[in-house]
Amino acid sequence: DTGVSQDPRHKITKRGQNVTFRCDPISEHNRLYWYRQTLGQGPEFLTYFQNEAQLEKSRLLSDRFSAERPKGSFSTLEIQRTEQGDSAMYLCASSLQGARGEKLFFGSGTQLSVL
Amino acid sequence: EDQVTQSPEALRLQEGESSSLNCSYTVSGLRGLFWYRQDPGKGPEFLFTLYSAGEEKEKERLKATLTKKESFLHITAPKPEDSATYLCAVSSNTGKLIFGQGTTLQVKP
Repeated sequence: DTGVSQDPRHKITKRGQNVTFRCDPISEHNRLYWYRQTLGQGPEFLTYFQNEAQLEKSRLLSDRFSAERPKGSFSTLEIQRTEQGDSAMYLCASSLQGARGEKLFFGSGTQLSVL
Repeated sequence: EDQVTQSPEALRLQEGESSSLNCSYTVSGLRGLFWYRQDPGKGPEFLFTLYSAGEEKEKERLKATLTKKESFLHITAPKPEDSATYLCAVSSNTGKLIFGQGTTLQVKP
């Protein structure tokens, strides 16, 4: 069991550039979540997939953000025309859908710095 | 609107000095309350899930309890390796986790 893996671990980019992050969930998990976390705050929900379907997106997610999960396996999160306010840790988590809440397993995150 | 508030924001303890962390929540249709531990530069690590008021769970020096409006994470005789940020989250009818801002715990030897 390799857990949830995210790539890259760190990304430094210039304002206005596009960036893409990848998440590989635990293989048998059918749900995949993206969260954003800034210093001193808890993770903030961005979006989630059940298999390949994107079921919910946060109202805070601007049109510059897009996420995909082709074939219900790995997922990518793309940020277009990055802004300094996008600097944060981007966390991916996966879970197996259950009847009484779900245990989310998190990756180590991708730390984005926008200069 | 679903909301989670944790207190205190930061806590400094001496090794062996027991204390409690608080998590207050409002949610429509609680499906579970979760505690996670997060070390610097890493993702959150699962600790406990509580489902109903009165439920308690323990793991080593940690004990989590749940009422209808709040949860407590009790830390008994903490050690320096317990230093971390502790996150509380609730799972609502929509399935996603809503996190509080966390409590950063520092245990000095």
